[in-house]
Amino acid sequence: KQEVTQIPAALSVPEGENLVLNCSFTDSAIYNLQWFRQDPGKGLTSLLLIQSSQREQTSGRLNASLDKSSGRSTLYIAASQPGDSATYLCAVSHSQGGSEKLVFGKGTKLTVNP
Amino acid sequence: DAGVIQSPRHEVTEMGQEVTLRCKPISGHDYLFWYRQTMMRGLELLIYFNNNVPIDDSGMPEDRFSAKMPNASFSTLKIQPSEPRDSAVYFCASSPLAGGPLSYNEQFFGPGTRLTVL
Repeated sequence: KQEVTQIPAALSVPEGENLVLNCSFTDSAIYNLQWFRQDPGKGLTSLLLIQSSQREQTSGRLNASLDKSSGRSTLYIAASQPGDSATYLCAVSHSQGGSEKLVFGKGTKLTVNP
Repeated sequence: DAGVIQSPRHEVTEMGQEVTLRCKPISGHDYLFWYRQTMMRGLELLIYFNNNVPIDDSGMPEDRFSAKMPNASFSTLKIQPSEPRDSAVYFCASSPLAGGPLSYNEQFFGPGTRLTVL
């Protein structure tokens, strides 16, 4: 059974700091890995999607890496801003029971202090 | 595009009552997903549809849960009878079919329905 773990569960940093969020998964047979952002009371917004054949994806100040063999991904946020405060979830897409599914971690709650 | 629309945004009901959650996917999207989010278990996939047909309902917790998609623009998730442990935020998401397998496609989430069963 695929399990996704995110550490730490919560992180508080001062504005301007570079930071890394971690995600690990138990079964390396994935199709892709996605990072999402969730604001309080809101749905999820997809930030980056990394295909299994890729090593990283970048969007603005965000960079996500994938090491499938070790079952790890990181989300790097450069020059953090208070507006980055949110919960960040990673999810892996894999085959289970003959269909494809997204399995989510429980997220890292990020607070960027002005 | 208005995005994925869910209603109601909040629902408070008493144990034993029937609850119906509604979702309108993004027009043209072929896949529709229902998720449940709780503090204890995180975000879990309940069921998903492709072209209105249920593909995988293995995440549906019990027979008290049922989902339908009568047409491409509407889906419901029904709980009958509801129990306090069903309290959670229920999300609907949709995804386009971009000529490739599902796994390559981004999912777009609705704002969720916060369900409280007393």
